[in-house]
Amino acid sequence: GAVVSQHPSWVICKSGTSVKIECRSLDFQATTMFWYRQFPKQSLMLMATSNEGSKATYEQGVEKDKFLINHASLTLSTLTVTSAHPEDSSFYICSARGGGGKEVRTDTQYFGPGTRLTVL
Amino acid sequence: AQSVTQLGSHVSVSEGALVLLRCNYSSSVPPYLFWYVQYPNQGLQLLLKYTSAATLVKGINGFEAEFKKSETSFHLTKPSAHMSDAAEYFCAVSESPGGGNKLTFGTGTQLKVEL
Repeated sequence: GAVVSQHPSWVICKSGTSVKIECRSLDFQATTMFWYRQFPKQSLMLMATSNEGSKATYEQGVEKDKFLINHASLTLSTLTVTSAHPEDSSFYICSARGGGGKEVRTDTQYFGPGTRLTVL
Repeated sequence: AQSVTQLGSHVSVSEGALVLLRCNYSSSVPPYLFWYVQYPNQGLQLLLKYTSAATLVKGINGFEAEFKKSETSFHLTKPSAHMSDAAEYFCAVSESPGGGNKLTFGTGTQLKVEL
């Protein structure tokens, strides 16, 4: 149990285009999902926290108009990088906090495998 | 604010040797500390966590970590490395016991296990 998937696993796009990344909890419901960004040889940095059915809470310094987060269902959250530029190239990781159930803790984040974004 | 520092971005050990991955924390409140492992192309997996119940914490795959308040450390150890332990390891700190809320990560340590 407690599997989180991300799609796509990697994406290359041209500068100025928008890219959508999906994060799904496959076998449990997640009332809260988190989005992280990881630069090479650096920490995972929390970008935002999203709760199902409400607006995401962004960390200081993260542009909410550039990184659009939607958490429309208990199993899906999306991150859209709008008008992407080369400096947005990074590894984006999501996690989901369990909503309870078999083998799923409500106080634990379950992580997806990440999405590698390259903006040319 | 909370933070963790991982000393050594790369650690190499021989198979069967002791594994020691270092993590120091900074926190103005009693911290909850975690170690995660990330295998290639996979998500982060929780190895163990410290929630103040015991200073020596045992996790999965034979790993353990000891919380030392006087040294503000939470180093990860394993008595005997296996080839399958090769991965990236992240130390993290949170204000919530399970890490279900905000996690602050270290920069990670890549563990290489050699024959």
